[in-house]
Amino acid sequence: ILNVEQSPQSLHVQEGDSTNFTCSFPSSNFYALHWYRWETAKSPEALFVMTLNGDEKKKGRISATLNTKEGYSYLYIKGSQPEDSATYLCATNTGTASKLTFGTGTRLQVTL
Amino acid sequence: DAMVIQNPRYQVTQFGKPVTLSCSQTLNHNVMYWYQQKSSQAPKLLFHYYDKDFNNEADTPDNFQSRRPNTSFCFLDIRSPGLGDAAMYLCATSRDLVVAQAVQFGPGTRLTVT
Repeated sequence: ILNVEQSPQSLHVQEGDSTNFTCSFPSSNFYALHWYRWETAKSPEALFVMTLNGDEKKKGRISATLNTKEGYSYLYIKGSQPEDSATYLCATNTGTASKLTFGTGTRLQVTL
Repeated sequence: DAMVIQNPRYQVTQFGKPVTLSCSQTLNHNVMYWYQQKSSQAPKLLFHYYDKDFNNEADTPDNFQSRRPNTSFCFLDIRSPGLGDAAMYLCATSRDLVVAQAVQFGPGTRLTVT
């Protein structure tokens, strides 16, 4: 893996479904992994910042895990709601600085 | 609420006509960034300021410049916009350059070039 990659590109689920997405990144020179939620016409909102292998973080119905050895992170949404509809971006820190290298995002649409 | 504000939210300019995008912050953060996101692509860092210290990414075109007259404001100037510069431009801030801190984003300015 040379770049930050996210899959799937888009996802359409029904209300109440649980879902997950993947972020893959170069495992060498890893410093931190960020997840953002970006709703249409709003600012990207920081969800999680993770640094340690095996990290797990949770915010309400959303949780994330991190595997720095193999270079991936999963984002899980339990019981999706229409308000979860957004693009979910992951990013890594570029070296020892706060600059971010982003993936292309996963667009989630949750319908009733 | 402390925030990052971008104006305008939508900007239309003509091919070759200079345009300036604005960003302001009430967070009193030392670092301000400009990211460009073209359709279906990942946001890409153009440059950042640490206080008054300007840092250009190696592959940022010369057509793009930036100004930071004070802590609160940062401007993105596109000298001669081409059709390929149509994109969402995101301004962001962070307290400093330490890795693994949350970076705060504005809502973006969508630039159309006609």
